[in-house]
Amino acid sequence: ETGVTQSPTHLIKTRGQQVTLRCSSQSGHNTVSWYQQALGQGPQFIFQYYREEENGRGNFPPRFSGLQFPNYSSELNVNALELDDSALYLCASSIDRASYEQYFGPGTRLTVT
Amino acid sequence: SQQGEEDPQALSIQEGENATMNCSYKTSINNLQWYRQNSGRGLVHLILIRSNEREKHSGRLRVTLDTSKKSSSLLITASRAADTASYFCATDANTDKLIFGTGTRLQVFP
Repeated sequence: ETGVTQSPTHLIKTRGQQVTLRCSSQSGHNTVSWYQQALGQGPQFIFQYYREEENGRGNFPPRFSGLQFPNYSSELNVNALELDDSALYLCASSIDRASYEQYFGPGTRLTVT
Repeated sequence: SQQGEEDPQALSIQEGENATMNCSYKTSINNLQWYRQNSGRGLVHLILIRSNEREKHSGRLRVTLDTSKKSSSLLITASRAADTASYFCATDANTDKLIFGTGTRLQVFP
């Protein structure tokens, strides 16, 4: 158990819809990172939040956005869903910057039809 | 794009044997980490090795780092069926984020 939880576990959406995924980090962890993992691939970095401010972004379009709240919860929002957005979405928290040991949640499996 | 490439992509061994996985990366790093993932679930941190370290041990795990070759290896000794999982290396590429490799799928047969 890493102490990081995600909801929902599974989600099915239709192309063009919007989705919000949620993550609850370990207390005291100031950094949360979000990753997209396609089947058979390694996690791809989407973005990172440090003390509620975005602190780095990977090669993902602006329709991927996020929020981090003072209570160690965070959200990943994806607008205008595309079929290629189907993946496992992972959040990870760390005490400081995301380049150190990260604690991953179990992930949300998103299927876009 | 992936920073790291693991080799082999897949590995099947018998219980009791050793498993060795290799990781190559492209840019300079502050540290390199290895993670384990069971059946498409969350990743679990195994070990972190800093760029000024050459070898690190944790239980049955041994990690080496060669910054001149931009490569690392993970050795699991006396493997068990419960070690069956995907293993990923991740580097920070001198940034505040982690970039993961493509992973090695390890299957340990009882």
